[in-house]
Amino acid sequence: GENVEQHPSTLSVQEGDSAVIKCTYSDSASNYFPWYKQELGKRPQLIIDIRSNVGEKKDQRIAVTLNKTAKHFSLHITETQPEDSAVYFCAAYFTGTASKLTFGTGTRLQVTL
Amino acid sequence: DGGITQSPKYLFRKEGQNVTLSCEQNLNHDAMYWYRQDPGQGLRLIYYSQIVNDFQKGDIAEGYSVSREKKESFPLTVTSAQKNPTAFYLCATKDTDEAFFGQGTRLTVV
Repeated sequence: GENVEQHPSTLSVQEGDSAVIKCTYSDSASNYFPWYKQELGKRPQLIIDIRSNVGEKKDQRIAVTLNKTAKHFSLHITETQPEDSAVYFCAAYFTGTASKLTFGTGTRLQVTL
Repeated sequence: DGGITQSPKYLFRKEGQNVTLSCEQNLNHDAMYWYRQDPGQGLRLIYYSQIVNDFQKGDIAEGYSVSREKKESFPLTVTSAQKNPTAFYLCATKDTDEAFFGQGTRLTVV
């Protein structure tokens, strides 16, 4: 089955700086790589995703890159703001079927003023 | 909001009691999942179901049980065999790609 590793577990940046969170996966069949944001006490929500036929995707201050050969993908947040403070989870799986849906262990991002 | 309803939001259980957490969805998704989240921890998979009347154990299934008699419903029972049940429980559904989460149930053993 799929195994997803995520680093770092905690990340503190100053407002306006960039933040990078990295994930590696084990199953080369995985073709979908979403990132979820979970604010304190709330449900995780999808913020960006990337499919295996794309190397990079950007949505305003958020971007995700994928290296299929190395089996790793990263979340990049630029110009961080206090409201970016949350826990971020990555996942990797094959779409179209009911996969086990394994998430990374999460990264707690703290944006300080 | 999101088409997934978890109830109750807060639940208190006495030691030795079984308790059932509800998860209902109107998204018409086949796949449903139960996760456990401890403070400062990630999402650990308890059970998942691909279709009605079928489910598989996740990574931490011991002390839990589920049923999937209807497509819309995937209740989770926390049994007395679960020695440390205090946690935040999240239900999720998935169609082909994106997973959607319920608002969660916070279970506390008193």
